[in-house]
Amino acid sequence: AQTVTQSQPEMSVQEAETVTLSCTYDTSESNYYLFWYKQPPSRQMILVIRQEAYKQQNATENRFSVNFQKAAKSFSLKISDSQLGDTAMYFCAFLYGGSQGNLIFGKGTKLSVKP
Amino acid sequence: GAVVSQHPSRVICKSGTSVKIECRSLDFQATTMFWYRQFPKQSLMLMATSNEGSKATYEQGVEKDKFLINHASLTLSTLTVTSAHPEDSSFYICSARARGGAMTGELFFGEGSRLTVL
Repeated sequence: AQTVTQSQPEMSVQEAETVTLSCTYDTSESNYYLFWYKQPPSRQMILVIRQEAYKQQNATENRFSVNFQKAAKSFSLKISDSQLGDTAMYFCAFLYGGSQGNLIFGKGTKLSVKP
Repeated sequence: GAVVSQHPSRVICKSGTSVKIECRSLDFQATTMFWYRQFPKQSLMLMATSNEGSKATYEQGVEKDKFLINHASLTLSTLTVTSAHPEDSSFYICSARARGGAMTGELFFGEGSRLTVL
């Protein structure tokens, strides 16, 4: 069975600083997709970044980047130059069953960016 | 980007009544839609997967007769909570997968619907 573990229930960071959110997963599949989603107080799920397991290069999207360690089954999210608008719940998600499969979410990390 | 709209965003109903929540893909055709339930301060739990024109696949522990899912077209899926009870109160979120497209694997989420059963 696939599992996604986020070991940090809550984190805080000062505005403009960098923070890393951790995520580990377990799977026997060789090809899969990983995502980080952001859920602000509005509750709308927003895709932050995605990573295809077959790609060795870590994905980046502006201030967001991941450290994908396939052998260790680790997929951490780094947020640089944190902004107040980054305050939200962050969910790590694993897509299993190929590109047409289902998403399984971690329990989430509540990130607070302090001014 | 692709837009998924959920309606209503909030609904309050009396115990024993049925409530329907709609999920629409506004600018793309969704071959597959997913329904999730989210309890306060918790993660999203997949309830069921629906493919256009076929019966929904429910996750273990989800009552098919209570949570009726219909995916009648490539742009609309509905979740009907039948004979609702207070324990059904929750935040329900839908997501949709586009037919084809470059964003392989990506799901697009609706805004969610807050159900309160009195």
